[in-house]
Amino acid sequence: AQSVAQPEDQVNVAEGNPLTVKCTYSVSGNPYLFWYVQYPNRGLQFLLKYITGDNLVKGSYGFEAEFNKSQTSFHLKKPSALVSDSALYFCAVRDGNSGGYQKVTFGTGTKLQVIP
Amino acid sequence: EPEVTQTPSHQVTQMGQEVILRCVPISNHLYFYWYRQILGQKVEFLVSFYNNEISEKSEIFDDQFSVERPDGSNFTLKIRSTKLEDSAMYFCASSESLSPWETQYFGPGTRLLVL
Repeated sequence: AQSVAQPEDQVNVAEGNPLTVKCTYSVSGNPYLFWYVQYPNRGLQFLLKYITGDNLVKGSYGFEAEFNKSQTSFHLKKPSALVSDSALYFCAVRDGNSGGYQKVTFGTGTKLQVIP
Repeated sequence: EPEVTQTPSHQVTQMGQEVILRCVPISNHLYFYWYRQILGQKVEFLVSFYNNEISEKSEIFDDQFSVERPDGSNFTLKIRSTKLEDSAMYFCASSESLSPWETQYFGPGTRLLVL
């Protein structure tokens, strides 16, 4: 079975500071990892994904994520936070070796609050 | 940029009534999905659909749920007899392929409130 954990319900960061939103995963096969962002009253917007290769993945709006196989983590990062980054962030995984790989399994979400 | 659209944005219904939630996936996508998010909880997979058939479903997707692609553009989720616990945000998603690395693109959601 595939699962995702986001240990922080909320992350607060000052504008201009670097931000990290944590995610760990569990799969039986190869992990395919995704980050989505949800703004208030909006749908889920795709930010970035890890498939294979370079452990540092770059995505939309200046976000990047680092895949760490030994720690089974896929933390979302941004060098300099903006107030407009304040939103709910979801980590998600699909297990490449599972018969149920069609579904995306989401974490519980982390609310990012960027303080001006 | 192409996007998934959903209608209505909000739906209020009485318990026991039937509701149909509508989605227009991205035009060249062949794989369609429904997810739901109960308020304050995680996003949960309901069903995936390809070639006019359900290809995978979760335990949540019981006999009161059904999906259909009634024409070349729409994809619908029907809840036959709504329950209070069906109140949630329902997201439609689509993807080009079933490959596990393929991104699923989500619509803005329909907020369903069952009274």
